[in-house]
Amino acid sequence: GENVEQHPSTLSVQEGDSAVIKCTYSDSASNYFPWYKQELGKGPQLIIDIRSNVGEKKDQRIAVTLNKTAKHFSLHITETQPEDSAVYFCAALDNDMRFGAGTRLTVKP
Amino acid sequence: DGGITQSPKYLFRKEGQNVTLSCEQNLNHDAMYWYRQDPGQGLRLIYYSQIVNDFQKGDIAEGYSVSREKKESFPLTVTSAQKNPTAFYLCASSIDLGRTAYGYTFGSGTRLTVV
Repeated sequence: GENVEQHPSTLSVQEGDSAVIKCTYSDSASNYFPWYKQELGKGPQLIIDIRSNVGEKKDQRIAVTLNKTAKHFSLHITETQPEDSAVYFCAALDNDMRFGAGTRLTVKP
Repeated sequence: DGGITQSPKYLFRKEGQNVTLSCEQNLNHDAMYWYRQDPGQGLRLIYYSQIVNDFQKGDIAEGYSVSREKKESFPLTVTSAQKNPTAFYLCASSIDLGRTAYGYTFGSGTRLTVV
């Protein structure tokens, strides 16, 4: 089955800097890669996703890139703000949705 | 507004007691899921259901049970057989079992603590 690894586990950046979180997956049949943001005490919220026929997708300050050959995908957050502080999860879908272990992002004002 | 409602937000269980976590959705989604979240770990799948009266075990189903009598509802029972139930439990739904590649909608979670 699918295995998703996520790095780093914690990330601290200064407000205004960029943040990058990377995930790798094992199953080449995976075709859908969502990213979720989870704030303290809440459920994860979908923030951006990408399908296997697309290499990059952008939505305002967030973007996701996908390299199918290398089987990795990344979340990029530009101009970070304190409200971006949260835990971010990547996931990959083949027959089941598999989640990474999460990255705790802290944006320092 | 459409969404998923989990209740209660906090739940305390005594040793040897069964407890039931509620999950209701008004999104008209076919598929529903229960995940367990422990600190420093990803989401682990407990049970999932694609249609009413049908459900399948996930990776960590031992000590848990579910029912799907209505499309909108997918309650999870944590039985006394679950030896380490303290965790954050998340319910989710999607349009179908994921093969059409849409993201999941998650509830706000239930934090279960053994006392």
